[in-house]
Amino acid sequence: RKEVEQDPGPFNVPEGATVAFNCTYSNSASQSFFWYRQDCRKEPKLLMSVYSSGNEDGRFTAQLNRASQYISLLIRDSKLSDSATYLCVVTPPMGAGNMLTFGGGTRLMVKP
Amino acid sequence: DTAVSQTPKYLVTQMGNDKSIKCEQNLGHDTMYWYKQDSKKFLKIMFSYNNKELIINETVPNRFSPKSPDKAHLNLHINSLELGDSAVYFCASSQLVEEDTQYFGPGTRLTVL
Repeated sequence: RKEVEQDPGPFNVPEGATVAFNCTYSNSASQSFFWYRQDCRKEPKLLMSVYSSGNEDGRFTAQLNRASQYISLLIRDSKLSDSATYLCVVTPPMGAGNMLTFGGGTRLMVKP
Repeated sequence: DTAVSQTPKYLVTQMGNDKSIKCEQNLGHDTMYWYKQDSKKFLKIMFSYNNKELIINETVPNRFSPKSPDKAHLNLHINSLELGDSAVYFCASSQLVEEDTQYFGPGTRLTVL
């Protein structure tokens, strides 16, 4: 089983749609969780951290469910510029360093 | 005023050669990393380097050796390049060793012929 699993997609949605991605992780002791965004042929960039209480940043909402070991990302009112690959990322337990473990990414394509 | 820079951006070379990729960060961070993104787009950590402590990922062949002349630089040297080494290599840095945002460089696309 992979440490971090995501549906690779692609998710093809029209502008204005709401789309949700899920991610599962295998290590219940994982410490921190993030969503990164990677545009084609570019480097990954942090989109948002994910907290147990859930967090929102504009049109983006992230949720963490530690009991079920999954993370979600909700994008409301999709824009063309949201087209990218979204990477679910977890860090190891405290004391094991800050080496990020990436999921394979979910590709989103927003169409006019 | 690029935060994390890498050179070269593209590297095409023959099997068996030795090559280096350079990484520099001007963020004043203490920790730097190397990641490999293969053709299937999976990003995997290779090394983490915090000041003088190198944390090696045991799955990385010993043909790969990171070198850090100072905390702002972490170079990656690869000996005896193989076809399977073809990938995009990303350098990253963070201020802290634990739980801190990592900033990635633009990547080096390595093609081994």
